[in-house]
Amino acid sequence: SQTIHQWPATLVQPVGSPLSLECTVEGTSNPNLYWYRQAAGRGLQLLFYSVGIGQISSEVPQNLSASRPQDRQFILSSKKLLLSDSGFYLCAWSLGLGTGELFFGEGSRLTVL
Amino acid sequence: GQQLNQSPQSMFIQEGEDVSMNCTSSSIFNTWLWYKQDPGEGPVLLIALYKAGELTSNGRLTAQFGITRKDSFLNISASIPSDVGIYFCAGRSGGSNYKLTFGKGTLLTVNP
Repeated sequence: SQTIHQWPATLVQPVGSPLSLECTVEGTSNPNLYWYRQAAGRGLQLLFYSVGIGQISSEVPQNLSASRPQDRQFILSSKKLLLSDSGFYLCAWSLGLGTGELFFGEGSRLTVL
Repeated sequence: GQQLNQSPQSMFIQEGEDVSMNCTSSSIFNTWLWYKQDPGEGPVLLIALYKAGELTSNGRLTAQFGITRKDSFLNISASIPSDVGIYFCAGRSGGSNYKLTFGKGTLLTVNP
């Protein structure tokens, strides 16, 4: 069966520090991968998605970047965090040619102070 | 872009009551999905709907894909305290296999 894991689960970082959140998927090949951010207002905002190694699409202009160095690895990064980057970050995957069902990781809570 | 209107935004009910929430869109979707999110965790897929008119159950949960393909509802029967959480609807249009459009969620509180 497929599993998705992201880490760290919680992170407290000072403004201006770098960020790296990692996500890995097991049990499937060539998945579509996604990074979402969930602010306190509950809505899920799509930040990035990837349909293959090295292929990244950005949905919104922001202080963050994403990379996919391996088929089942997705990384969310920032060189210098802003206060507004605080939030709950969710990694997700779907089958490349599937029905669009999205499966989420456990989430990473980022607090920027 | 596409938008989903999910209602109600929040619900406070007594244990044992039935619950109904829905999502509407101005656009047609080919897939409707319903998720539940517990506090501090990622959303979990509850029900997936693929055909207009489809009615699917998962235990005490029932969801339907609207005939017009622009709406969907989720019902929870005989609610229990562990039903507490945020419920999200999501839709996928035929033009994109990659992205879902999410509703803003319904926060459900169940009083024991």
